[in-house]
Amino acid sequence: AQSVAQPEDQVNVAEGNPLTVKCTYSVSGNPYLFWYVQYPNRGLQFLLKYITGDNLVKGSYGFEAEFNKSQTSFHLKKPSALVSDSALYFCAVKGNQGGKLIFGQGTELSVKP
Amino acid sequence: SAVISQKPSRDICQRGTSLTIQCQVDSQVTMMFWYRQQPGQSLTLIATANQGSEATYESGFVIDKFPISRPNLTFSTLTVSNMSPEDSSIYLCSLLGDKYEQYFGPGTRLTVT
Repeated sequence: AQSVAQPEDQVNVAEGNPLTVKCTYSVSGNPYLFWYVQYPNRGLQFLLKYITGDNLVKGSYGFEAEFNKSQTSFHLKKPSALVSDSALYFCAVKGNQGGKLIFGQGTELSVKP
Repeated sequence: SAVISQKPSRDICQRGTSLTIQCQVDSQVTMMFWYRQQPGQSLTLIATANQGSEATYESGFVIDKFPISRPNLTFSTLTVSNMSPEDSSIYLCSLLGDKYEQYFGPGTRLTVT
């Protein structure tokens, strides 16, 4: 069965520092991987995806993610964090059937000035 | 990307009653989804709603509790029936984009007392 894991409930970063939010996956077949962000009292916003191609994927708001097949990871990164990046981040994988997404448990990112 | 709206944005309901949540999209989409996000939790898929066919429910969710309608390609409803406090959650609809990503509505925050 497809699954993703986000090993950190919370990540704290100082503004201007690089940030990494971790995600590992377990799939049968080729993984279709996604990152979403949820701001307080808002719906989920799509950040980026990996379907095929380059292992480094660039997305919205300066975020990027690196697909690593050998480590079964898809970590979200940003070179310089902003206070406004503080939010809840979800990693997701496409399920085997249809278009359903299976989400990780989420990581709360806190960026302090 | 499509604009997705949900009504109501939030509601407080008595146990034993039912609430119907509406999801409207500004363009025609084939596949729509309904997710539940319980307090402090990740998202869980309730069902997939394709126009012209019965909704497909995930394990643990049944039609009697969460009936879904999909009368056309721009609209869907989810009803939460015979509510209990355990149904207090955020309910989100989403649609499938061109390249496997999903786009989410703003969510309906339901509190059952």
